[in-house]
Amino acid sequence: EVQLVESGGGLVQPGGSLRLSCAASGFTFSGSTFHWVRQAPGKGLEWVGRIRTRADSYATAYDVSLKGRFTISRDDSKNTAYLQMNSLKTEDTAVYYCTRRNYHDGIGYYDYWGQGTLVTVSS
Amino acid sequence: SYELTQPPSVSVSPGQTAIVTCSGDVLGDKYVCWYQQKPGQSPVLVIYQDHRRPSGIPERFSGSNSGNTATLTISGTQAMDEADYYCQAWDSSTAVVFGGGTKLTVL
Repeated sequence: EVQLVESGGGLVQPGGSLRLSCAASGFTFSGSTFHWVRQAPGKGLEWVGRIRTRADSYATAYDVSLKGRFTISRDDSKNTAYLQMNSLKTEDTAVYYCTRRNYHDGIGYYDYWGQGTLVTVSS
Repeated sequence: SYELTQPPSVSVSPGQTAIVTCSGDVLGDKYVCWYQQKPGQSPVLVIYQDHRRPSGIPERFSGSNSGNTATLTISGTQAMDEADYYCQAWDSSTAVVFGGGTKLTVL
């Protein structure tokens, strides 16, 4: 059974940092690209960023609005992807989802999602 | 930046056809996915590559994409289909774009 399990969310003060984890099982982790997507309370889905595989040099990309505050990494030996969030703002309050990008005929889609972890930025 | 526009809400009677649209500049040149999200749950893929259904998604879900509009059609809508639906595409800059979401109400 494929599983993505996020952890690390919680309450943090503005300006603080938090690292989220996404532990995967049930498939070949090292061969998969992972994305982070967030959802503010009562709002829609918002793309955060992604990390590719070793074959693609672990290339990362981020939403431009994040302005370098977030960093995605992965540890293939632990089947885990990470989202490091620095200089957090109240507007970063959201449920953060980890999702796997799969492909059909070279066209991508998100086939598995974690349950999400809530990050609350507040003083 | 590229934007996808969805109607905030759509209402449909049980057994009728629900149509959810997603608009974007020359969207037909991109591939669109659709995700269903029920309250308190994670999104679920219902359509990918404009019209393909993942395993386990009922045949009543279908999709199309042409011109500036992608469409998710739910035929014979059931109460269990009540949810938020999001379209998603990839921008040429490799960024991922989501529509604002449409709340489908089955009256």
